[in-house]
Amino acid sequence: SYELTQPPSVSVSPGQTASITCSGDKLGNKYACWYQQKPGQSPVLVIYQNTKRPSGIPERFSGSNSGNTATLTISGTQAVDEADFYCQAWDSTTAVFGGGTKLTVL
Amino acid sequence: QVQLQESGPGLVKPSQTLSLTCTVSGGSISSGSYWSWIRQPAGKGLEWIGRIYSSGATNYSPSLKSRVTISVDTSKNQFSLQLTSVTAADTAVYYCAREAYGGYHYWGQGTLVTVSS
Repeated sequence: SYELTQPPSVSVSPGQTASITCSGDKLGNKYACWYQQKPGQSPVLVIYQNTKRPSGIPERFSGSNSGNTATLTISGTQAVDEADFYCQAWDSTTAVFGGGTKLTVL
Repeated sequence: QVQLQESGPGLVKPSQTLSLTCTVSGGSISSGSYWSWIRQPAGKGLEWIGRIYSSGATNYSPSLKSRVTISVDTSKNQFSLQLTSVTAADTAVYYCAREAYGGYHYWGQGTLVTVSS
């Protein structure tokens, strides 16, 4: 079965750029999405189709996808961005989620 | 604005069937979207369970396929999940969600289902 691999944790200082990776076989040939989840809340879609931001998502969130790796980039990271982040892609008709990355802003 | 709300028993006994319903408001379930169930055990990641198209066509996670049924009731603007032969490993927060352009733009608030005798 298809697998997506994320680092368990990423740390960033306020105002700096955070990058969270998601790796999978030929992931660049698929569309990747990214979700932000804060404690006790439902996930929120922040990036879809590799690079698109849903309405209401700040411009500091951006995405890319090439080769075997998709990347979520948060520019000018703020304390409010601290959360768990999950990547997601489709393996034919099955959705696959990465294991999640805890972003710490310190 | 589409809203989704999960409902169903919060406690299910081992070996029994877990049944949940997702009620959609602010839009028609017949709009041509895919509607999905996703779960998350406490402290763990998201797991996709399956989805249903408004026509009734379904796709399921290979790991759960033998135990899962997702159905739709367009007259009530609802879709449902049934998971048979549950064990403690099925204890999780269950979310319903609407898919568009390959991503889940709308999520329910989630409902905790505990499997315990």
